Amino acid sequence: DAGITQSPRHKVTETGTPVTLRCHQTENHRYMYWYRQDPGHGLRLIHYSYGVKDTDKGEVSDGYSVSRSKTEDFLLTLESATSSQTSVYFCAICGGFGANVLTFGAGSRLTVL
Amino acid sequence: SQQGEEDPQALSIQEGENATMNCSYKTSINNLQWYRQNSGRGLVHLILIRSNEREKHSGRLRVTLDTSKKSSSLLITASRAADTASYFCATDATGNQFYFGTGTSLTVIP
Repeated sequence: DAGITQSPRHKVTETGTPVTLRCHQTENHRYMYWYRQDPGHGLRLIHYSYGVKDTDKGEVSDGYSVSRSKTEDFLLTLESATSSQTSVYFCAICGGFGANVLTFGAGSRLTVL
Repeated sequence: SQQGEEDPQALSIQEGENATMNCSYKTSINNLQWYRQNSGRGLVHLILIRSNEREKHSGRLRVTLDTSKKSSSLLITASRAADTASYFCATDATGNQFYFGTGTSLTVIP
């Protein structure tokens, strides 16, 4: 997990509350991603970023927003958390330019009661 | 969904045996990658195979790719207890957008 950290690592919250997960990288990689991992579904792409202030939706983006104001930080926000968003969230980075390999963070376990 | 699927979902073998897992995907791709995830950890990249390659080796890993069938296989030879993990394939179709399969859980019994 060197070069990429996620915070918080664990969070319990209640339905309807806002939640922000942070991904921080020290690799100066262009691309950053948020995935969620659920049993039976593997990893599903939520949002990704291809540069500062450049983001796009993945396959399960409803209920999530992202922001990237600096190269090193990619924030995932649940505006009003629901129980269906209980999951393990992984951030990943990629250098691009042919170095098409993802490096993952350690994950953030979110429980929405 | 752009997700691929791995087969089998779970695999249990004895130490020293070979483990084979398969991945099917839905769209044309630039490359396909395999990742490993130990319990409670993030994923770690194992090997990448480009769409114009048919086979690739890395240590005890052998990956094949059949773009006509939209499928790939990962072979782990002479498995060890430390290979116990979940294995995922990931496809890159449009350039730096990665879509993962549902994973194969491998248990290697000492």
